[in-house]
Amino acid sequence: DIVMTQSPDSLAVSLGERATITCKSSQSVLHSSNNKNYLAWYQQKPGQPPKLLIYWASSRHSGVPDRFSGSGSGTDFTLSISSLQAEDVAVYFCQQYYDTPSFGGGTKVEIK
Amino acid sequence: EVKLVESGGGLVQPGGSLRLSCAAFGFTFNTYAMSWVRQAPGKGLEWVSDIADSDKSTFYADSVKGRFTISRDNSKSMLYLQMSSLRAEDTAIYYCAKDYLPAAVMKSHAYDLWGRGTMVTVSS
Repeated sequence: DIVMTQSPDSLAVSLGERATITCKSSQSVLHSSNNKNYLAWYQQKPGQPPKLLIYWASSRHSGVPDRFSGSGSGTDFTLSISSLQAEDVAVYFCQQYYDTPSFGGGTKVEIK
Repeated sequence: EVKLVESGGGLVQPGGSLRLSCAAFGFTFNTYAMSWVRQAPGKGLEWVSDIADSDKSTFYADSVKGRFTISRDNSKSMLYLQMSSLRAEDTAIYYCAKDYLPAAVMKSHAYDLWGRGTMVTVSS
């Protein structure tokens, strides 16, 4: 099974500043047949289900603000929020779907 | 409106059984693989099981294999999870989730639609 490790566990960022979350997979999630990284990012607010932000590691889902961006390949990935807004306070999860799906432990983003 | 609505959760004793349901609305249900994902209170997300769009191939996490059974009724746009031999560690919110891409395009268990979940509590 592929283990996903996120860091940090929590992050406090000032409004308007950049937030960066990293995610590492225990093996590559880059599929050689189509050159796609099978990696997604989700946002979860209290009392709500997760919401898809990013798929294929860097493709923004419909309706997601462009301040959210994903990058990386192979085993190392990053979710960036370029200018943190109050509504971005949430827990963020990475997920690989290269193999049996598995999620990172989550990163809680708060306002400093 | 495109949505998923889970039901069937509740309090059950260890060793008991429960059947969860998920009703799908607003999309062509029989063209997407579907999954169950759970979240223990205050914890992270755990994939539980998934089922293919039409051929009904099924997959399970090791933690539930042999105890849970996923199924679907495409004629009713319904997804199910039959849970038996329940344990305290099965206590969680259970979400049903839809694959982002139709199965005919590509197998892709990134989930673009989630229900609000149904709570399962296993306790004596």
